[in-house]
Amino acid sequence: NAGVTQTPKFQVLKTGQSMTLQCAQDMNHNSMYWYRQDPGMGLRLIYYSASEGTTDKGEVPNGYNVSRLNKREFSLRLESAAPSQTSVYFCVTGVRDPRETQYFGPGTRLLVL
Amino acid sequence: RKEVEQDPGPFNVPEGATVAFNCTYSNSASQSFFWYRQDCRKEPKLLMSVYSSGNEDGRFTAQLNRASQYISLLIRDSKLSDSATYLCVAAGGSYIPTFGRGTSLIVHP
Repeated sequence: NAGVTQTPKFQVLKTGQSMTLQCAQDMNHNSMYWYRQDPGMGLRLIYYSASEGTTDKGEVPNGYNVSRLNKREFSLRLESAAPSQTSVYFCVTGVRDPRETQYFGPGTRLLVL
Repeated sequence: RKEVEQDPGPFNVPEGATVAFNCTYSNSASQSFFWYRQDCRKEPKLLMSVYSSGNEDGRFTAQLNRASQYISLLIRDSKLSDSATYLCVAAGGSYIPTFGRGTSLIVHP
């Protein structure tokens, strides 16, 4: 049981390059989220998927797209990376039930030059 | 104004001290509350859930005050290993978790 996995762990991009961050979970959770964490800003929601086949914007969606490929996988794509997207990205899963909690992936550290 | 507010600290306390953090939330529809611990350059990990009746886990006690819309975390007999950032989380009716920016705790010898 791997929990929540993310790839890659680290990435350096040049401005304008594209990349996809991958997230997979084996906990059979319905909801999945992508957050970014920046110093002084805390964790901010980029996009989320309440269930397979649905996605919605969060607080800071500009410059990102997502795909909920199936129940297990939720990817985040940067089409044209900008230095402002330098951050640590966390994939989080959680059953949409107030008695359950959220589980974090290990994070992807992205540097855009 | 962020939906979940925390004092960023740092709280600098000696070993053995008792320290308390508060966290306020603005969404009165919030139903689920949690405290997470985050070590430097690591992902947040669940410390404890916060129930209406309050809950205790060893040296840690969490309380919820719905009337004033805040949750608290009390750490007794602080250890060096308690040094970390503590994040509070509130989830509303849509169960989208909103995180506070975190409170930094430094426990020194």
